Amino acid sequence: EAGVTQSPTHLIKTRGQQATLRCSPISGHTSVYWYQQALGLGLQFLLWYDEGEERNRGNFPPRFSGRQFPNYSSELNVNALELEDSALYLCASRALGNNEQFFGPGTRLTVL
Amino acid sequence: EDQVTQSPEALRLQEGESSSLNCSYTVSGLRGLFWYRQDPGKGPEFLFTLYSAGEEKEKERLKATLTKKESFLHITAPKPEDSATYLCAVQDEISGTYKYIFGTGTRLKVLA
Repeated sequence: EAGVTQSPTHLIKTRGQQATLRCSPISGHTSVYWYQQALGLGLQFLLWYDEGEERNRGNFPPRFSGRQFPNYSSELNVNALELEDSALYLCASRALGNNEQFFGPGTRLTVL
Repeated sequence: EDQVTQSPEALRLQEGESSSLNCSYTVSGLRGLFWYRQDPGKGPEFLFTLYSAGEEKEKERLKATLTKKESFLHITAPKPEDSATYLCAVQDEISGTYKYIFGTGTRLKVLA
């Protein structure tokens, strides 16, 4: 069974640009979570999507947004990039009725 | 406020030297406690889920236990390949919300 996949692996942008990160959940999983992991810090919750709807968001500004598509894949958009947005962005998926999240390999975003 | 604290922040062990990692938590109601292993620059790998005090789970050299206030990850006779950051997360029993709170992790280094 294929795990959670994320693309791209690495992304380099300059300050002020926009970044788009993509995530495909495990087959059959309907919930997708996005986390930010800055160097040396813990996982910070960004967004939770379930059945195409945004269910919850963490304490991040509105320039962090996303969506979930009918096939349950998801996209995270970060507008007006700032240097401190440089981090590993992790996507996790969860099956309906289950509690465990399974993570993808992450996208390393570097903002110059 | 919900909180997860992991200790120690870092741990160095000799190969074969058993030890324990601690995860203490404060939540209004625990729906589940999760342990993950994370290698540098990669996504967390799911290890265990614990649901109620007294529960134990084992996998190879790892054993996770749960009390009402904390969880321990016991590592028996570790090998260098066990070197990684171990993350603990809790799921709070907030009605209708599958929200996860992560600790900052314990960085384990096992020396040959």
